[in-house]
Amino acid sequence: DVKVTQSSRYLVKRTGEKVFLECVQDMDHENMFWYRQDPGLGLRLIYFSYDVKMKEKGDIPEGYSVSREKKERFSLILESASTNQTSMYLCASSKGQGGWTGELFFGEGSRLTVL
Amino acid sequence: AQTVTQSQPEMSVQEAETVTLSCTYDTSESDYYLFWYKQPPSRQMILVIRQEAYKQQNATENRFSVNFQKAAKSFSLKISDSQLGDAAMYFCAYSKYNNNDMRFGAGTRLTVKP
Repeated sequence: DVKVTQSSRYLVKRTGEKVFLECVQDMDHENMFWYRQDPGLGLRLIYFSYDVKMKEKGDIPEGYSVSREKKERFSLILESASTNQTSMYLCASSKGQGGWTGELFFGEGSRLTVL
Repeated sequence: AQTVTQSQPEMSVQEAETVTLSCTYDTSESDYYLFWYKQPPSRQMILVIRQEAYKQQNATENRFSVNFQKAAKSFSLKISDSQLGDAAMYFCAYSKYNNNDMRFGAGTRLTVKP
């Protein structure tokens, strides 16, 4: 059974703290994504990666950075958390261009609250 | 830029009845894919159904089917014989072929009444 695992389901952080959200997939997918989900706004792409050490900005990269040192792991970093980053964060993966189907496989999400 | 619009923030349906969720999109591309994803409460989002724009035949997956109107840029999801387990947020999504920039609508929350 395919799996995308996010390290934390719920986090509470203080303004200014550095936050790491980890995501691991076991499907040998080339592509990995970080989305932010807010009510009424749907899912918005923060960053995606199509290969190890490669990354591309999405629609809302400001205040975020990412790291992909291994194919199976994609980390989202909030250098200095702010209250407007309180949200649900979804990690997803998909096959690369050679086997592209468009289907995204999602993790369960990480709900971050910044106080 | 491509946009996806879901005009129904919430819908409800009686168990065993049929419900249709609406989605419209805007694109100038000819080769693209459309998707419906389901996000049950506190569970992972999963793909429900996919439609390739070049196919005229509407996609069907068991009780789930779509009405794809390419000229009208409309892509609705019909759920037949609704079950309690169908209660979820449903997201319509668009992607150009072989492209990582998938666009999502705002979502429709479906409630199923017993």
